[in-house]
Amino acid sequence: EIVMTQTPLFSPVTLGQPASISCRSSQSLVHSDGNTYLNWLQQRPGQPPRLLIYEISKRFSGVPDRFSGSGAGTDFTLKISRVEAEDVGVYYCMQPTQFPFTFGQGTKLEIK
Amino acid sequence: EVQLLESGGGLVQPGGSLRLSCVASGFTFSGSNMGWVRQAPGKGLEWLSAISGDAADTYYADSVEGRFTISRDNSKSTLYLQMNSLRADDTAVYYCAKDFRVSYWGQGALVTVSS
Repeated sequence: EIVMTQTPLFSPVTLGQPASISCRSSQSLVHSDGNTYLNWLQQRPGQPPRLLIYEISKRFSGVPDRFSGSGAGTDFTLKISRVEAEDVGVYYCMQPTQFPFTFGQGTKLEIK
Repeated sequence: EVQLLESGGGLVQPGGSLRLSCVASGFTFSGSNMGWVRQAPGKGLEWLSAISGDAADTYYADSVEGRFTISRDNSKSTLYLQMNSLRADDTAVYYCAKDFRVSYWGQGALVTVSS
């Protein structure tokens, strides 16, 4: 099983300031088809998860461009260029490369 | 617009069974891989199971293998999760998801296992 490790687990951020979350996988997420499947999801309080980023860096439909993803192999990063109030919630990385699919522990983002 | 609507949650006693359903709309259901994820109260997300569009392939997490069964009825655009031998630690919100690689999520169904 691929273990996904996120840091930090808690991120207090000032409105308008950037935020960054790291995710490391215990094995490479490069699939045999050549793609790297690494997703970032956002879960606002009381809401279901919502896809933000797929395949490391592709923004899902409707996701603001202040969200960006980067990385390769086993190390990945989600960045928010300027945090807004609506960004409060828990962020998860997820690997849908190899079964069983696995999630990181989640990073709780809150406003200072 | 993709829509996923779960139903079938509720209170069940330990050792009991429950079947969740997820009715899908807004996309070609038979062409989409589907799956289930759960979230225990105050905890993170746990992937449970996936099924291919033609139902030929199914996959499970170790925590539910042998107790839960995923299935689908493409004529009804409906995904199922049959849950047997339920335990207290199966208490969670269960989410239906379309295509984990570019995923859409339902609103969730609460399952409570308690005597």
